Amino acid sequence: SAVISQKPSRDICQRGTSLTIQCQVDSQVTMMFWYRQQPGQSLTLIATANQGSEATYESGFVIDKFPISRPNLTFSTLTVSNMSPEDSSIYLCSVGANTGELFFGEGSRLTVL
Amino acid sequence: AQKITQTQPGMFVQEKEAVTLDCTYDTSDPSYGLFWYKQPSSGEMIFLIYQGSYDQQNATEGRYSLNFQKARKSANLVISASQLGDSAMYFCAMREGDLNRDDKIIFGKGTRLHILP
Repeated sequence: SAVISQKPSRDICQRGTSLTIQCQVDSQVTMMFWYRQQPGQSLTLIATANQGSEATYESGFVIDKFPISRPNLTFSTLTVSNMSPEDSSIYLCSVGANTGELFFGEGSRLTVL
Repeated sequence: AQKITQTQPGMFVQEKEAVTLDCTYDTSDPSYGLFWYKQPSSGEMIFLIYQGSYDQQNATEGRYSLNFQKARKSANLVISASQLGDSAMYFCAMREGDLNRDDKIIFGKGTRLHILP
């Protein structure tokens, strides 16, 4: 199994600002996945981050709003830019297990005022 | 495009009874994997069980079993002898293609299960 640490665990931000979420994995992985979970909703994939290349974004998500970095095989960041109250969500970092399932970080709970 | 449907937004079940959470899926890929996750109020995502499209038998993990009906494209989760600690949100999820840790997983909308004492 993989241990995934996310920072911050929660934050309250002002409208129009940006916040960067960090994700650290205790083992090297090729892909890291960023999900968003809006209040009372399911998990929606934002993008897939591969080390050494630009992230692949899902429909409805763009790099200008959610820039992602993947500098090495154990670390990634997701920035939520120019935030609005609609961005209030839990943002989850995850990696795939050799057996196919996903391991998740504890999530970063973001509230935008 | 892959799609996961969970038609039960919420369920109330008496403690110690068995419960079935429904999940149907749609994919054109002959190779895929189906997953169930539990999310308690704490927010963590807990992996419960996996079923591969080519698996001949239904997956089981302790009190959890997956009722896989390939022709009907359904992958229902069965929890036997429910416990109060089973109260949580349950998500059905799917990955298309061979079992590859680098392929994305798509989630259904979830079912909130309430176990009554």
